[in-house]
Amino acid sequence: DAGVIQSPRHEVTEMGQEVTLRCKPISGHDYLFWYRQTMMRGLELLIYFNNNVPIDDSGMPEDRFSAKMPNASFSTLKIQPSEPRDSAVYFCASSLTAFDQPQHFGDGTRLSIL
Amino acid sequence: QKEVEQNSGPLSVPEGAIASLNCTYSDRGSQSFFWYRQYSGKSPELIMFIYSNGDKEDGRFTAQLNKASQYVSLLIRDSQPSDSATYLCAVYNNNDMRFGAGTRLTVKP
Repeated sequence: DAGVIQSPRHEVTEMGQEVTLRCKPISGHDYLFWYRQTMMRGLELLIYFNNNVPIDDSGMPEDRFSAKMPNASFSTLKIQPSEPRDSAVYFCASSLTAFDQPQHFGDGTRLSIL
Repeated sequence: QKEVEQNSGPLSVPEGAIASLNCTYSDRGSQSFFWYRQYSGKSPELIMFIYSNGDKEDGRFTAQLNKASQYVSLLIRDSQPSDSATYLCAVYNNNDMRFGAGTRLTVKP
């Protein structure tokens, strides 16, 4: 079975541009998570969905960040406008039936904002 | 602030030795505990999870949980060079997952 699929793998863009990151969770998984990882702050949970519904977005750093999950097989994380401090690796993960079940991570998107 | 603390390392052990990785957490109500392995430039990969006090073994890996002392540890027996990676401790409570900064492990041949 395919794992969590993220795209793009790498994104380089200029400050002020809109950035959209995409994620396809493992089929049948009810939970989807977006994380950000930086050297300074480590791995941080941004937002998570249960059955396509956003449950907790308290980790989203600013209003410039938004996430959607229009169906069970697709989610996006959008940054508009982007800033250099948003540069990080963004991971999407999914888990089967509950938040505290083991999470399976995608390969991540390495985002660089110039 | 709910904290998850790990020694950043690097922790260096010779091949074949036991590597011991430790993690302490501040939220006494924490319910579930996870260890992830992350190779450089790769995504985290689940190694072990534990919910109850005591030890849980899976192959060369043993997770140990002591809720009273608020620590969880990971032992890697017969360490191999392929175990060289950063190990992240994650702690869950009430729809909140917190990760430690990770311990970098190097296993020398």
